[in-house]
Amino acid sequence: GQQLNQSPQSMFIQEGEDVSMNCTSSSIFNTWLWYKQDPGEGPVLLIALYKAGELTSNGRLTAQFGITRKDSFLNISASIPSDVGIYFCAGAGGGNKLTFGTGTQLKVEL
Amino acid sequence: SAVISQKPSRDICQRGTSLTIQCQVDSQVTMMFWYRQQPGQSLTLIATANQGSEATYESGFVIDKFPISRPNLTFSTLTVSNMSPEDSSIYLCSAQNNEQFFGPGTRLTVL
Repeated sequence: GQQLNQSPQSMFIQEGEDVSMNCTSSSIFNTWLWYKQDPGEGPVLLIALYKAGELTSNGRLTAQFGITRKDSFLNISASIPSDVGIYFCAGAGGGNKLTFGTGTQLKVEL
Repeated sequence: SAVISQKPSRDICQRGTSLTIQCQVDSQVTMMFWYRQQPGQSLTLIATANQGSEATYESGFVIDKFPISRPNLTFSTLTVSNMSPEDSSIYLCSAQNNEQFFGPGTRLTVL
């Protein structure tokens, strides 16, 4: 099935640094979601975006719904060790079915 | 947000056997879904579990291999039938009213 392309695939950052990752699609989506998955757990919803151009924050996280509706980005400010994990974007078209991105693995160096 | 539990959390099964995974939500939800996540990979939708009717399967997934039940608005099961080592994966259920929330997953290993 279709997958969304996420970049980078993985990243090593220093604690305290800001992080940026993005997600692109060849298809238009009506909703963009960002999830974080820790080892042995299911994905946890971080941010949901419903309108093209929308910019939404959740604590140190900020995400934007691209104006073309084919992309989204997620920023994490002042990263901390518990930010380690895999971040997935997901897009929904006209229905409720989600298409997931390929994932960005974040590793934080103390 | 809905709280979702899955049973079993993990299992090791023999080739040719079947395993039924249960998913329980703490409140009534409109939609329930089943996903597969192979090691180190992203999530792939298997099917939408429809309450009171047959599930809607995605391309590449069939009812004979992955029968699904959804008897009410809080519960669903996924059976992985006639298992082979290629079925080793994490199976996740999700539930949605507005946003979609996920259970903790069932880690299946087939020998």
